[in-house]
Amino acid sequence: QVQLQESGPGLVKPSETLSLTCTVSGGSMGSYYWSWIRQPPGKGLEWIGYIYYSGSTNYNPSLKSRVSMSVDTSRNQLSLNLRSVTAADTAVYYCASGYSTYYFAFWGQGAQVAVSS
Amino acid sequence: VLTQSPATLSLSPGEGATLSCRASQSVGNYLAWYQQKPGQAPRLLMYEASNRAAGVPARFSGSGSGTDFTLTISYLEPEDFAIYYCQQGGSWPRTFGGGAKVEIK
Repeated sequence: QVQLQESGPGLVKPSETLSLTCTVSGGSMGSYYWSWIRQPPGKGLEWIGYIYYSGSTNYNPSLKSRVSMSVDTSRNQLSLNLRSVTAADTAVYYCASGYSTYYFAFWGQGAQVAVSS
Repeated sequence: VLTQSPATLSLSPGEGATLSCRASQSVGNYLAWYQQKPGQAPRLLMYEASNRAAGVPARFSGSGSGTDFTLTISYLEPEDFAIYYCQQGGSWPRTFGGGAKVEIK
């Protein structure tokens, strides 16, 4: 079963770029679709976007102008960059994957990111 | 938009629970349910409306298609008290419902 582990800075300054990495183990990156999902404190879940191992992406229109994702199959990693962050981007960021784009079967434990000066 | 109701259910262990998820437009049968406990990542329970994910107990069942979906827990175990989210995979962007909290009465 695939396992996911997010990593990255826990604190980002306003207007800067939030960068997270998800390291994959226990499965081939080519077998899954990969997504990033976030959850602000005390709130619900928001899908950020997905990326396939080939590099094709699909982003949430609400974040599309600020987000980019990439995949490095040689290192079994995927990355998330979110530019020009504000306090509203404070959240737990999850890496998730599935056999299709319809649902998310596997989740990382999440990375807490706060945006503050 | 996915609307979950009720927002909170107060029930006792052993009782049954019925959670509703309504979509503003048809999502076919591409509806998933997740369980989230405090401090943990969501866990997939059901996919494509009625299929249980691996390892999910048989007391969980899902039904529905189009715009109206239901998650049923036939009898609540202590570990089932949590927040439940529905998620649609029928259109872009993927979206989640606001969540339904099942709390101990």
